[in-house]
Amino acid sequence: KAGVTQTPRYLIKTRGQQVTLSCSPISGHRSVSWYQQTPGQGLQFLFEYFSETQRNKGNFPGRFSGRQFSNSRSEMNVSTLELGDSALYLCASSSGQGAYNSPLHFGNGTRLTVT
Amino acid sequence: AQSVTQLDSQVPVFEEAPVELRCNYSSSVSVYLFWYVQYPNQGLQLLLKYLSGSTLVKGINGFEAEFNKSQTSFHLRKPSVHISDTAEYFCAVVSYNFNKFYFGSGTKLNVKP
Repeated sequence: KAGVTQTPRYLIKTRGQQVTLSCSPISGHRSVSWYQQTPGQGLQFLFEYFSETQRNKGNFPGRFSGRQFSNSRSEMNVSTLELGDSALYLCASSSGQGAYNSPLHFGNGTRLTVT
Repeated sequence: AQSVTQLDSQVPVFEEAPVELRCNYSSSVSVYLFWYVQYPNQGLQLLLKYLSGSTLVKGINGFEAEFNKSQTSFHLRKPSVHISDTAEYFCAVVSYNFNKFYFGSGTKLNVKP
């Protein structure tokens, strides 16, 4: 069974630009969550999508948005990039039926560098 | 809401020595508990989980953890570490019936030869 796939692995963008990250979950998983990982803040929850609907949201500004498609693939978009957005962005999938039945399965992440 | 505290940001240890990585959580409801490991340039991988039943949980790579409800702790242990265990370890908590995981800030385990 293929794992969670994130593309691209690395991105370099300039301040003010926008970026789109992609995540393909494990086959059959309907929930996709996004996390931002930085050395100073650790893992910060961005949002979770389940069956194309945003089910949970973290405390990030509106520049961070996401969506989920009917095949459960998800994209995350960051507009008007700031230097502080440089981070490893992790995607995780699960069945979405509660943590008892399905813990999170993570992709290898997209390393975003904003210059 | 839930929160997780990992008291040690870095733990240096010599190869073949025992190690304990500490995790304390705060929650007003019953929770499930997890430990994840992250190797360099990779995502997080599930190490073990506590859902119910026996409070001593065994995971992959010889790791185990013990759930202590009275002390709200879920410490991770390994009796003898290897160089290959060098990684960052994250403790996580999620309440029953919700899918929102709360992660600790991570503990970097550095195994020295």
